[in-house]
Formats: sequence, C-alpha cells, structure tokens
Amino acid sequence: DAKTTQPTSMDCAEGRAANLPCNHSTISGNEYVYWYRQIHSQGPQYIIHGLKNNETNEMASLIITEDRKSSTLILPHATLRDTAVYYCIVRVLFGNEKLTFGTGTRLTIIP
Amino acid sequence: GAVVSQHPSWVICKSGTSVKIECRSLDFQATTMFWYRQFPKQSLMLMATSNEGSKATYEQGVEKDKFLINHASLTLSTLTVTSAHPEDSSFYICSARDGPGVQPQHFGDGTRLSIL
Repeated sequence: DAKTTQPTSMDCAEGRAANLPCNHSTISGNEYVYWYRQIHSQGPQYIIHGLKNNETNEMASLIITEDRKSSTLILPHATLRDTAVYYCIVRVLFGNEKLTFGTGTRLTIIP
Repeated sequence: GAVVSQHPSWVICKSGTSVKIECRSLDFQATTMFWYRQFPKQSLMLMATSNEGSKATYEQGVEKDKFLINHASLTLSTLTVTSAHPEDSSFYICSARDGPGVQPQHFGDGTRLSIL
C-alpha cells in the first residue's frame, strides 16, 4: 500500500472548520483513501473514504485532488470532542485487507 | 452501523498468567478479523489476521506460539496472550469488516493489558 505523510499536530479553534491534509503521492489507481480517528484510550473510529471524487457524510468531507496525490479531511464545525489523532490510510481495493497506520495528525480543538 | 465489541476492556494480572481477549462482530459476520497492538505514544501495529475456520496469519516478528488466535465462528475471534510478561503490557485492539470491497474496517474499543 502507498505511504502517507501527515503533519504531526494541528490546532483548530472550536466552531471553526478543521482541515487535515494528507500526502499520498505514490497512490495507485486501485487504492482508496481512508480516514480514521482515535480518541485517547479508544479504538480507531472510521470517518470516511474515497477513490477520486469528493465525498461527504455526517461526520466530515473528503477532498481528493485531481491527480489523487493528496487529500484533505474537513471537519466543518469542530467541537472539543473532535480532539483526537487522525489517520490517513491508503488501501488497495481487493486483495490485501490490511490497514497500515502511520503516526497520524494529533488535532487539538481549542475552546 | 457495524459494531465490534471487545472484552474485557481492562485486565491486570500477574506475570506468567495467560490472558484471553474476545472480539465480537455484533451485527454482522466477519470471515476476517485483525488484531493490533499499540504501545504508549505509538501508532497501531498489526499483529495478525484472523481467518474463520483456518489458521491466523501473523506479521513478521510476532510469535504465533505466544499470541494464540482462534476464529471459531463468523462473529468471534479470540487472542490469548500465553505466559504474559510485563513487556506484553499494551493496548490490544481488534477490527473486522462488514463486507467485501471498499467496506471499511470497524474497530473494537480495545483491551488494556497490564502485567505485573
């Protein structure tokens, strides 16, 4: 699976949109981008995934660049409960189901 | 939505004890489940892939005789840490996917294991 690069940490003011970038410049055509987050002392929580089109669900939006080499997770109105480590993971559609976790981005929502 | 449950959530035991952790898919069947380990301030590391009705596949460096995995049904996988020692103290997390293709993996809430 392609490697991802994320900033180590970010701060965002409560109520503002949190934009978390992810670089996956070696992504191949059959690899999807998945986002998970891990709140302290809990298991990871699935947020959203996409291939090449922008995606939105009740939790977040995922913007993938046209060349698919990077993406941005957007939390539209961040709350204190969104403080967590956010992981961007690239996974091939069929075959290897493993998820390889990097170091992620530690997002802190500031009151 | 898909729910994965782990039990126990926290266990403390003496060195040399064997500890069993259960991972259940509550509202879906999972032919494959995954076991991860997370040390403090580190990311999740995949330990093994649990396959229903067959042997688990272990990642490089993970001792299969130390970490016994049984996936006897489509909704239950167990991880047994045999003869646990303090260095086995960690946060153990399982996951499962509720369908083929692009369906995401869903994670349990983890089991914090402390070996005294």
